[in-house]
Amino acid sequence: EADIYQTPRYLVIGTGKKITLECSQTMGHDKMYWYQQDPGMELHLIHYSYGVNSTEKGDLSSESTVSRIRTEHFPLTLESARPSHTSQYLCASSEGRLAYEQYFGPGTRLTVT
Amino acid sequence: AQSVAQPEDQVNVAEGNPLTVKCTYSVSGNPYLFWYVQYPNRGLQFLLKYITGDNLVKGSYGFEAEFNKSQTSFHLKKPSALVSDSALYFCAALLYNNNDMRFGAGTRLTVKP
Repeated sequence: EADIYQTPRYLVIGTGKKITLECSQTMGHDKMYWYQQDPGMELHLIHYSYGVNSTEKGDLSSESTVSRIRTEHFPLTLESARPSHTSQYLCASSEGRLAYEQYFGPGTRLTVT
Repeated sequence: AQSVAQPEDQVNVAEGNPLTVKCTYSVSGNPYLFWYVQYPNRGLQFLLKYITGDNLVKGSYGFEAEFNKSQTSFHLKKPSALVSDSALYFCAALLYNNNDMRFGAGTRLTVKP
């Protein structure tokens, strides 16, 4: 099992609330990623980071924002949740120099009512 | 456009029979290719990768994959399927910028006893 953690695992929240999904890894990886995945469907990259103070948007347009103040921590924030944000959010990290595979957290299943 | 294709949404095999999950790619340059497995309510787990060298790569849980440059394919194989192999399998390619992992749509493998 990879040492990458996501909290909460499940979240049900009302429309308009601000939420932060937490992601932490203890492997010292420089690169971190957030993906959005509807259950059993393909993954869509929404944010990634090369390292501290580096963040980029991915292929899928997202109203979420991310920050990377510490190497091990890559939280994702939704300022005002909407039902269209209902999905699974997967965080991943990779070493990125000598090894390219990504290691995934268990995911956060978000439901916005 | 750079992409990864998994032509089969679903693969069904009987326990003990060989299995193949297909993947083709269209990426610039020399491809870095990966297979991941996802069990219900979990993140993705890395299975194996092809970076360079021998076209047949071996990975976790008895899986292997064959890189075929002329056919731009990277099919996942296992000589004898187990019921516990039933899961969602994703093929992925690392794009030339080494920052973007492009995933296929996934193939659901069902192994019946």
